[in-house]
Amino acid sequence: GNSVTQMEGPVTLSEEAFLTINCTYTATGYPSLFWYVQYPGEGLQLLLKATKADDKGSNKGFEATYRKETTSFHLEKGSVQVSDSAVYFCALSSPLDSSYKLIFGSGTRLLVRP
Amino acid sequence: DGGITQSPKYLFRKEGQNVTLSCEQNLNHDAMYWYRQDPGQGLRLIYYSQIVNDFQKGDIAEGYSVSREKKESFPLTVTSAQKNPTAFYLCASSTQGGPIYEQFFGPGTRLTVL
Repeated sequence: GNSVTQMEGPVTLSEEAFLTINCTYTATGYPSLFWYVQYPGEGLQLLLKATKADDKGSNKGFEATYRKETTSFHLEKGSVQVSDSAVYFCALSSPLDSSYKLIFGSGTRLLVRP
Repeated sequence: DGGITQSPKYLFRKEGQNVTLSCEQNLNHDAMYWYRQDPGQGLRLIYYSQIVNDFQKGDIAEGYSVSREKKESFPLTVTSAQKNPTAFYLCASSTQGGPIYEQFFGPGTRLTVL
């Protein structure tokens, strides 16, 4: 079945450091890929998305590129801030699944220290 | 402001009781979803509805029920048949069902069984 694998956290960085959170997926067909962010005690917010191979999603300094050949969608940011501390979820939605549900990875907690 | 509201934010239930979680959206979205989040895990789909008066079971529907009598409302009932209901419940909606459409999430309801 379809699945998403994320690197385990927590990831602890100093402010202004470079961030990479790895995400790989298994899916038939051509899924859409998403990164969501969850702040403590809150729901999820869409950070960025990509709907076809080689698309790059970007928002608030975060970027991720849909790599079909490596089935990956790694999240990157050049310079993190304390306010980026949150849990990040990689997710996919398959056009072959009539529910169009999101399949999530287990989440990666990011802690940015001043 | 358009968005999704969930109530209550915190809910405590005694064993053997049914409880209903509210989800309302004013985004004029056709599709609505209920997910369950357990600590350190991603979200899993409980039920979904792509149109009024129709809904389908997700991956973990046992012990739950829903209704979709109005476009803007998708309440979830956690019944006494749900063996381990303590979790964070998130409601989401999207413009329509489809893999490319972003799902918008509510702030969640944290249910604790006493």
